[in-house]
Amino acid sequence: EVQLVESGGGLIQPGGSLRLSCAASGLTVRSNYMSWVRQAPGQGLEWVSLIYSGGSTYYADSVKGRFTISRDTSKNTLYLQMNSLRAEDTAVYYCAKLPYSNYAGWFDPWGQGTLVTVSS
Amino acid sequence: QSVLTQPPSVSGAPGQRVTISCTGSSSNFGAGYDVHWYQQLPGTVPKLLIYGNSNRPSGVPDRFSGSKSGTSASLAITGLQTEDEADYYCQSYDSSLSGSLFGGGTKLTVL
Repeated sequence: EVQLVESGGGLIQPGGSLRLSCAASGLTVRSNYMSWVRQAPGQGLEWVSLIYSGGSTYYADSVKGRFTISRDTSKNTLYLQMNSLRAEDTAVYYCAKLPYSNYAGWFDPWGQGTLVTVSS
Repeated sequence: QSVLTQPPSVSGAPGQRVTISCTGSSSNFGAGYDVHWYQQLPGTVPKLLIYGNSNRPSGVPDRFSGSKSGTSASLAITGLQTEDEADYYCQSYDSSLSGSLFGGGTKLTVL
């Protein structure tokens, strides 16, 4: 069974940095297309970032230049490094898997999410 | 600006049929990219409901169906049940964004 478990969320001041982790079991992170999706409190879903199995990375305009997606093969873990955080980055962050080599595919499964709160 | 437009809310009585629309543009649906749908029950993680326009993952009842034509897509739910009360999101890929795009979500109320 595929399982994704996020961690690393918390309360952070504006301008601060945070690194989210997504530990995977039942799949190999480096062999899959993986994404981060976020959901602000009471709001809809917003795609944040994507990493291809080959290593190419893509970002939503709202986070480009501030967030970095990466992975650690030895730990089978996906990361999201978030810098220069703003109040509008407050959200539950989910990691999710896309179908094999399908950048236009669907997200399944999803992790349980980790809450990031940016506030002074 | 690339957006997928959904109605904020829909409602129906138990047993009825409802549809949720999702309107895209030439850079997503019009470019041939598929639509996918998710159900998010209150306080839970989004769950894949329909993928590739009209395919149901294992375990999703056949009361749920999806379709896409041109720059529009829709999700239909027949035999509405109280447990269907949730938020529903459409999603596709957008070539102008080089990334995925979600609709704003539709809250389904079962009266």
